[in-house]
Amino acid sequence: NAGVMQNPRHLVRRRGQEARLRCSPMKGHSHVYWYRQLPEEGLKFMVYLQKENIIDESGMPKERFSAEFPKEGPSILRIQQVVRGDSAAYFCASSSPGTLNYGYTFGSGTRLTVV
Amino acid sequence: QQQVKQSPQSLIVQKGGISIINCAYENTAFDYFPWYQQFPGKGPALLIAIRPDVSEKKEGRFTISFNKSAKQFSLHIMDSQPGDSATYFCAASMMDSSYKLIFGSGTRLLVRP
Repeated sequence: NAGVMQNPRHLVRRRGQEARLRCSPMKGHSHVYWYRQLPEEGLKFMVYLQKENIIDESGMPKERFSAEFPKEGPSILRIQQVVRGDSAAYFCASSSPGTLNYGYTFGSGTRLTVV
Repeated sequence: QQQVKQSPQSLIVQKGGISIINCAYENTAFDYFPWYQQFPGKGPALLIAIRPDVSEKKEGRFTISFNKSAKQFSLHIMDSQPGDSATYFCAASMMDSSYKLIFGSGTRLLVRP
């Protein structure tokens, strides 16, 4: 029973390029959450998705960031026209209905470096 | 109001000692307080959690103490071991948005052999 799988583990992008981060939730989990961790800081909530629905995107920057969780396939966090300030670790977590954050399982994260 | 303040930023303890990490919050609507442990290169893992209707919860060497009136809670690691060296995060959430965790800034713990 694999845990939450995130890929790539490390991603380097030049300023202005696009970054795509993928998250496959644990088997049986239909809720996905994305968090961002800046260096030396705690995790900050970005977005909560269920299959084909964005439930809460209150933590997402207004521009350049988007997230989806299609019916088939992994959840994708997309960052367009990356800037240096986007450099961070991005963590995905998943849970099953009824457990919400009490049953959170985090992936190992994607470390994005913008050069 | 949505912040969770965590201290200290870093902590060095001798093997066998007690590690204590403190957190404070403002929003009295918070009703779930977990602690997460994170090793380098890994995602956070749930360590122990408490609800505000109890003042203490113990699981093995890990204890959460909760002071509702002071709006503070702390993690105590008894008999600290080198393998406990990691970054620890407190967090809080509310039932009406219970999927959203508000994290403290983290404490980097080093346990010396």
